[in-house]
Amino acid sequence: GAVVSQHPSRVICKSGTSVKIECRSLDFQATTMFWYRQFPKQSLMLMATSNEGSKATYEQGVEKDKFLINHASLTLSTLTVTSAHPEDSSFYICSAPDRGAGGVSPLHFGNGTRLTVT
Amino acid sequence: RKEVEQDPGPFNVPEGATVAFNCTYSNSASQSFFWYRQDCRKEPKLLMSVYSSGNEDGRFTAQLNRASQYISLLIRDSKLSDSATYLCVVAWGNQFYFGTGTSLTVIP
Repeated sequence: GAVVSQHPSRVICKSGTSVKIECRSLDFQATTMFWYRQFPKQSLMLMATSNEGSKATYEQGVEKDKFLINHASLTLSTLTVTSAHPEDSSFYICSAPDRGAGGVSPLHFGNGTRLTVT
Repeated sequence: RKEVEQDPGPFNVPEGATVAFNCTYSNSASQSFFWYRQDCRKEPKLLMSVYSSGNEDGRFTAQLNRASQYISLLIRDSKLSDSATYLCVVAWGNQFYFGTGTSLTVIP
């Protein structure tokens, strides 16, 4: 089945540094990638939608200059958390539908990145 | 009004019980429906798609009621390993909308 590989799975960084999270679709072309954030005991929150070759669309309240998204190829999307602060500590997850599967594909999730900013 | 409404629970049920979750959705043009399971500190995993005629996978049954705009998930003979958060997802166009998730704990 369709697989999305997300790296790193866990990262601890110091306040002020930047962290890049990669999501790769391994056996399908991810023309769209959704990026979510989830705080403990809360629901998934959509941060942004990236489409290959175009600018990402950010949800209200998500700073596009802080959360840089690049989707330069059909199999790779990256999220960079710039100048991270402790309040950015969260679980970040990407997901993508397999548009080539026909019909409306379910979302295939990466295994998440747990970011801790100290 | 939210696109998808889901009772957050929690549901605490004994082993062997039958439990049902519902989600309502606001857009009658919704095209596809899914149930996901999310374990603590893990990513959601697809449990099953929901088809118009209803579908079953072992102890799990999913149903869609387009007239009333809701989907349901029924779990029979609950196991301890069923303890998790269950998310409904509704898709239309290029968008996917999530319920808040329902927490299930199966008690020995």
